[in-house]
Amino acid sequence: EDQVTQSPEALRLQEGESSSLNCSYTVSGLRGLFWYRQDPGKGPEFLFTLYSAGEEKEKERLKATLTKKESFLHITAPKPEDSATYLCAVHIIKAAGNKLTFGGGTRVLVKP
Amino acid sequence: DAGVIQSPRHEVTEMGQEVTLRCKPISGHNSLFWYRQTMMRGLELLIYFNNNVPIDDSGMPEDRFSAKMPNASFSTLKIQPSEPRDSAVYFCASSKGQNYGYTFGSGTRLTVV
Repeated sequence: EDQVTQSPEALRLQEGESSSLNCSYTVSGLRGLFWYRQDPGKGPEFLFTLYSAGEEKEKERLKATLTKKESFLHITAPKPEDSATYLCAVHIIKAAGNKLTFGGGTRVLVKP
Repeated sequence: DAGVIQSPRHEVTEMGQEVTLRCKPISGHNSLFWYRQTMMRGLELLIYFNNNVPIDDSGMPEDRFSAKMPNASFSTLKIQPSEPRDSAVYFCASSKGQNYGYTFGSGTRLTVV
């Protein structure tokens, strides 16, 4: 069965304390892996798409990496405004169209 | 670009009542998705459309739920009759197609009492 698991469920960081979020997946064939950010009361906002192992994408203090079994979202020197829930999602090859399956998310709180 | 527009933002209704959620996707996007988000189950795909045609409705919980997309600029998700366990945030999202990220609306927070 295709599964997407994110860890940890929650992460409390001090401002400037770098850390990584994990998204592990067990799928029959990966077409792409997506990262989203969700702020309270809002819909998820697209961050990155990764397609193949070894690929990396960066945006400000965020860097996403991909291996054959998992993806990491590295947050470097986070600021309070990086506080949000981060979601990963997979697009599976056998899935019709471009259906995404989401993980449970990691809630990140960055304290000043 | 106004993004994906959902209405209403909040809906409180009594058990047994009909509820209709509305969505206007981004112009030019040919895929539309309805998701439900709860603390317990996270984001769950209910149904999605490609070029206004329903492709996968396997996530629709039961016959009380129905969705339509009469044209490329409008979709509805209807719950009839509503039950307290339907309380959740319902998101609509649209996409240009495969390999493109989704753009989500701001969601409709539904409370069934």
